[in-house]
Amino acid sequence: DVKVTQSSRYLVKRTGEKVFLECVQDMDHENMFWYRQDPGLGLRLIYFSYDVKMKEKGDIPEGYSVSREKKERFSLILESASTNQTSMYLCASSSGTRGYTFGSGTRLTVV
Amino acid sequence: QKEVEQNSGPLSVPEGAIASLNCTYSDRGSQSFFWYRQYSGKSPELIMSIYSNGDKEDGRFTAQLNKASQYVSLLIRDSQPSDSATYLCAVNWQYGNKLVFGAGTILRVKS
Repeated sequence: DVKVTQSSRYLVKRTGEKVFLECVQDMDHENMFWYRQDPGLGLRLIYFSYDVKMKEKGDIPEGYSVSREKKERFSLILESASTNQTSMYLCASSSGTRGYTFGSGTRLTVV
Repeated sequence: QKEVEQNSGPLSVPEGAIASLNCTYSDRGSQSFFWYRQYSGKSPELIMSIYSNGDKEDGRFTAQLNKASQYVSLLIRDSQPSDSATYLCAVNWQYGNKLVFGAGTILRVKS
């Protein structure tokens, strides 16, 4: 019954590595989003996409990029991981103005 | 002024009581409003959506919306220890499909 799937639940990477976080949804949603969540800072939007091959910057895009080659898949890329990117990363999808469905999250630690 | 504001809590209520969670927002153009529940270490789960002024009930949950005063609230009747979580208010932003989240209110239900 899983509808938004994030590829990894926990991930440990080294500083400077290129990191790929994958998200797949099976609800045919046009909208997909990447957030990070940190204690005391809440949910912060990194990037979002309203359609295949399109992307828009959110509030904190620096150090990140995204790819959406297929409607169901939205990838977040950390070009050169840094320790300040240690966080919980949440993918979400939605249709129209309906609420988001979130994935289970990826807890990324950069050492 | 923050775009979506919530009292961070913690809000402590005894088992069986009514928990009242409040949220204010700054964008008068917002049309869609959501409440999410997030357990520690888990991703947010959509529990209520409301689009028009007034009350909307779903089981023990009631969402209330007042667009003139720009606030939305969530009432939880007969609170249970399993309701202990962080509750996030989310509002669509500037007629778009992007949601802006409040920082969340921690609810603790004591048995």
